[in-house]
Amino acid sequence: QKEVEQNSGPLSVPEGAIASLNCTYSDRGSQSFFWYRQYSGKSPELIMSIYSNGDKEDGRFTAQLNKASQYVSLLIRDSQPSDSATYLCASLGGKLIFGQGTELSVKP
Amino acid sequence: EAQVTQNPRYLITVTGKKLTVTCSQNMNHEYMSWYRQDPGLGLRQIYYSMNVEVTDKGDVPEGYKVSRKEKRNFPLILESPSPNQTSLYFCASSFIEELNEKLFFGSGTQLSVL
Repeated sequence: QKEVEQNSGPLSVPEGAIASLNCTYSDRGSQSFFWYRQYSGKSPELIMSIYSNGDKEDGRFTAQLNKASQYVSLLIRDSQPSDSATYLCASLGGKLIFGQGTELSVKP
Repeated sequence: EAQVTQNPRYLITVTGKKLTVTCSQNMNHEYMSWYRQDPGLGLRQIYYSMNVEVTDKGDVPEGYKVSRKEKRNFPLILESPSPNQTSLYFCASSFIEELNEKLFFGSGTQLSVL
């Protein structure tokens, strides 16, 4: 069974801090990785995708991929209360597989 | 506006009463899929469709049916709902490019089976 694992949290950080969300995957054939954000009661929306080892930055968000360790992370700099949501990690290797999500709470 | 329209938003029903959740997309996507989301289990794929008349089982297909007679529509059918199908359901569609699969989700259907 191919899996994507995330800490379910909740992860609580103060406003302005860096939030670090982590994800591991079991399928070494996975080539693409995604972070979706899901506000309470809403549908998921794609915020980052990453395909190559290393870092990818988009505004306050940085995705990091280490294929050797089968590890993906999402860093959110200068966290804001509006970042409070559940973050879903997903891997694509033939099919898209989601982790269970990490709940992030940013406290003012 | 590009969107995936899913109805109804909320549904309460009783065990054994057939129901259909509709899903329609206006982006001309070939690929459509259904997920259920349960606390602690994340999004699990029920069925997916690569194109008209092409459907396949996902990870949790038992108790569900789908059809894809038109490109834009992908209804989810529960022939005889049971309480363990109480869940939050999402329809999604996507284009598939090399190494990229961005899913567009509907607004979700919260189903309660009593």
